[in-house]
Amino acid sequence: RKEVEQDPGPFNVPEGATVAFNCTYSNSASQSFFWYRQDCRKEPKLLMSVYSSGNEDGRFTAQLNRASQYISLLIRDSKLSDSATYLCVVNSGGYQKVTFGIGTKLQVIP
Amino acid sequence: EAGVAQSPRYKIIEKRQSVAFWCNPISGHATLYWYQQILGQGPKLLIQFQNNGVVDDSQLPKDRFSAERLKGVDSTLKIQPAKLEDSAVYLCASSFHLGADYEQYFGPGTRLTVT
Repeated sequence: RKEVEQDPGPFNVPEGATVAFNCTYSNSASQSFFWYRQDCRKEPKLLMSVYSSGNEDGRFTAQLNRASQYISLLIRDSKLSDSATYLCVVNSGGYQKVTFGIGTKLQVIP
Repeated sequence: EAGVAQSPRYKIIEKRQSVAFWCNPISGHATLYWYQQILGQGPKLLIQFQNNGVVDDSQLPKDRFSAERLKGVDSTLKIQPAKLEDSAVYLCASSFHLGADYEQYFGPGTRLTVT
């Protein structure tokens, strides 16, 4: 089993739709979780951290389910500008080993 | 605030040749990362430095890859000799400190093509 697994997609959704991605992780000792966004041929940029209590930033909501070992990202009212690849990042280990998922590609269509 | 700088942006070499990449992190950032991102995949951590010490290089192919961060600031990543499967984007990132909650800031990457 991979350390971090994501559905690569692509997810093709119409503008205004709500879309959700999940990311599963295998190491139950993982300590922190993030969603990064990567536009085509660009570098990844932090979208949001994922806290145990969940967190929301505008149209974006991230949640953590430790019992089932997954994190989720919900995007409401999708915009064309949301089209990108969303990377799940898990930190684990005593020295904070960083593992990226393969990324989920989102295409918002007019 | 200046971002993470990398050079060159693009490099084309033949297999068995050598290549080196340079990274200048954000000023004051103690932690520096090198990643390899193959087309269609997520970034794979190659090596992680805290100041000028190596924290994790478990996924660095040490028979051909080497990296250093002298004086705890700039870093270089070298491949010698290159193979076709090394074709990828090499991303450098830095964060303020070693720790789970510190955001990583990425440079624009170096796109390497090995022919």
